[in-house]
Order: sequence, then structure tokens, then C-alpha cells
Amino acid sequence: GENVEQHPSTLSVQEGDSAVIKCTYSDSASNYFPWYKQELGKGPQLIIDIRSNVGEKKDQRIAVTLNKTAKHFSLHITETQPEDSAVYFCAASNRGGSYIPTFGRGTSLIVHP
Amino acid sequence: DTAVSQTPKYLVTQMGNDKSIKCEQNLGHDTMYWYKQDSKKFLKIMFSYNNKELIINETVPNRFSPKSPDKAHLNLHINSLELGDSAVYFCASSHDLDYEQYFGPGTRLTVT
Repeated sequence: GENVEQHPSTLSVQEGDSAVIKCTYSDSASNYFPWYKQELGKGPQLIIDIRSNVGEKKDQRIAVTLNKTAKHFSLHITETQPEDSAVYFCAASNRGGSYIPTFGRGTSLIVHP
Repeated sequence: DTAVSQTPKYLVTQMGNDKSIKCEQNLGHDTMYWYKQDSKKFLKIMFSYNNKELIINETVPNRFSPKSPDKAHLNLHINSLELGDSAVYFCASSHDLDYEQYFGPGTRLTVT
């Protein structure tokens, strides 16, 4: 089955800095890679996703890059703000196969004012 | 309006009891899921229902059973609760199997 590794487990940055979270996956058939943000006491919320036919996707301060050859993808947050503080999860699934999403173990991002 | 809602938000019960968690979505989605999030925040899918048919059943104990009375509801029944069942349980829904998921606010289950 799919295995998703996520690093780092904790990331502390100063407001205005950039933050990068990295994930690797094992199943070369995986072709859909969403990122979720979970704020304290709430459910995860999709913030951006990427499909295997593109290498990069951007939405304002958030971007995701995908390297299918190396089987890794990353979340980039620029100009971080305190409200970006949350737990971030990456996931991988095979949209043409079982569709079962496998989640990474999460990264706790702390943005200091 | 809340897209995916769960009740109760908190559930404290004793070992051996049977309990249910309810989930409703008003998004018109065809697929609903149940996830378990442990104390270390690890999210693991438990069940998925697509058009009222169970299509994913991870290796969870058969004490856990999903019940879907209609497309908008997926309830989770748990029999003979154990200490290790303590966790936050999230319901989610998606348009179909290969679309982004919308999560509910979670139900924190504590078994004493």
C-alpha cells in the first residue's frame, strides 16, 4: 500500500518568513496530492491540491510543487502570518485506483509574531 | 450553514458501552467517510460510503459499524467500547470518490 512520509513534524518560523513542508510517497500510481490545514479544535480543511500532470500550482501565498520522478511534493507558504499557525497534512491517492487517501503524520507550524 | 456536521462534539463513556456518532452533510455529495485521529494527530481512514455502498473498509475492528440511512447521513456505531477507542473521529464528504474532501468539526470520544 501507499506510504506517505512528512517532514518536519514541527516547524517554527518568524512572521514574514517562508515555510516549507515536504512529503514523500511510495506508490508511483498515486496521482492526486492534496494538502489540508487543521486549526485547533477543528476538522482538516483543503487548502491546495495538485495532480500528477502538473509540476507546480500556486494560490496567493501558498504553492505546491511535485516531483513525480523523485516521488516527493512540497508545500510552500510565503510571508507567513500568525493565522497560518496550524497542523498541515499532506496526502496521496490514486484517482484511477482505490482512491484511498493516505495521510502524512502532520506538521505543526508555529508562526511567531 | 454547516456543510458537514457531527453530533455529539464530545462523548465521554465507560468501557463496554455502545455508542453512536451522527454525521450529516448538506452539500449533496455522493461519498462520505469516517476518520480516526489519535493523540498524535495521525489521521486514518476507517470507512467510506459511495452512494450508500460501503466501498472502503480499512482493517478496523468489527465493533465499529457505519450506517447510512440516506446519502446525506453516515453514522458510526461502536460496540463494547475500549480504552484504545479514545480519539477524535471525523466525518467527511466529497462529491465523488476522487474529489476533495470536506471534513466535519470532529467528535472527541473519551473512554474511561
